[in-house]
Parts: sequence; structure tokens; C-alpha cells
Amino acid sequence: EDQVTQSPEALRLQEGESSSLNCSYTVSGLRGLFWYRQDPGKGPEFLFTLYSAGEEKEKERLKATLTKKESFLHITAPKPEDSATYLCAVQAGNRDDKIIFGKGTRLHILP
Amino acid sequence: NAGVMQNPRHLVRRRGQEARLRCSPMKGHSHVYWYRQLPEEGLKFMVYLQKENIIDESGMPKERFSAEFPKEGPSILRIQQVVRGDSAAYFCASSPTGAEAFFGQGTRLTVV
Repeated sequence: EDQVTQSPEALRLQEGESSSLNCSYTVSGLRGLFWYRQDPGKGPEFLFTLYSAGEEKEKERLKATLTKKESFLHITAPKPEDSATYLCAVQAGNRDDKIIFGKGTRLHILP
Repeated sequence: NAGVMQNPRHLVRRRGQEARLRCSPMKGHSHVYWYRQLPEEGLKFMVYLQKENIIDESGMPKERFSAEFPKEGPSILRIQQVVRGDSAAYFCASSPTGAEAFFGQGTRLTVV
């Protein structure tokens, strides 16, 4: 069965303290791996899609990387406004496969 | 291009009533996903639809829950005879290809 595991569950960082969030996945072939950001009371906001091992995507202070078994979301010099829950999701390579999500990492950046 | 629109944003139903949640996908998107989220939990897949077809409903309870995405109009998630355990946030996402999905702001259902 396809599975997504995110770690840590929660992370508190000081402003400017860089770190990484992990997403481990088990899927029968990978069509795509997705990262989202979710603020309280809001819908998830799309960040990145990664398709193959070795691929990297960047957006402001965020960089997502992908290997054959896991993805990392690197946060460089975070600011308080980066505080949110970060969700990882995968879609298997078979046609018409659903997108399944991990439970997320709650990130809190202290000023 | 407007984003994914869900309505209502908040819905209160008494036990035994029906709840109808609507989702208008982004323009040009023919794929719709529905997810359920409880506080402090991730998104649980419910159903994946394309226009007029249910592709995968493996995450949806067999009883009381149904979903449709007609040729014209929004996608509808219907919950009949609601119970307290149905209280949750329900999110819809749309996609042009079935891959990258863009979410609405959700409907928060409260059953009293």
C-alpha cells in the first residue's frame, strides 16, 4: 500500500536557523511528489512538484529535493511568516492514481 | 483565473440531516479530489472524480456518502443522515491533468 511518512511532527526554530523537513514514501512507481503549505483555517497552498530522483526546486527560502525513497524540504534562514504546516503528498505512476498525503510537519519560527 | 471555490465555508447540520458540499474547480480543470481533515491530522483521501466519472472512491464510506462531478456545474459531496463523527473540514482540489492539485478553502461541517 502506498504510504507517506513525514518527520518531525513538529519543529520549533529560531528566526534565521536553517533546517530540513523529511518526507519518506513507499509507492509503486512515482508519478509525482508534491509539497504544500497549510496555514490554520486555510486550504493547502501548492509549493512544488518533483518528478524524478535528483530533481530540485526552489522558491524564496524553500528548496525541495527528491531521492528514490524520500524528499527533503530545506528552509534557509526562516522568518516567522514561514510558520505553517508543511504537507508532503505522492501520486503513484499508474494512470488514474489518487494523491495521498502525509500527516505534515508543524513548523514554528520564533522571532 | 479564480481559484477553487468551495461553498458553503461553514455548515451546521443536526444529526440525521443531509449535508451538500459544493466545489467549483478552476477554469479548465477536469479532475477533482475530495479530502477530509480532522484537527491536527493530515488530509484523508475520499474520492477522485473526472467529469461525469468516479475514478477512485476507495476512501469514501460505503454508506451515506456520495460524490458527483457532472458535465455542467460544480462537484458535489453529499453526506446523508449526518452523525457527530462527520464533523470535520472537507477540502476539494482540482487539477488540469490529475497531477498537481490546487485546493479550495474548505467547508467546515459541524454536526450538532
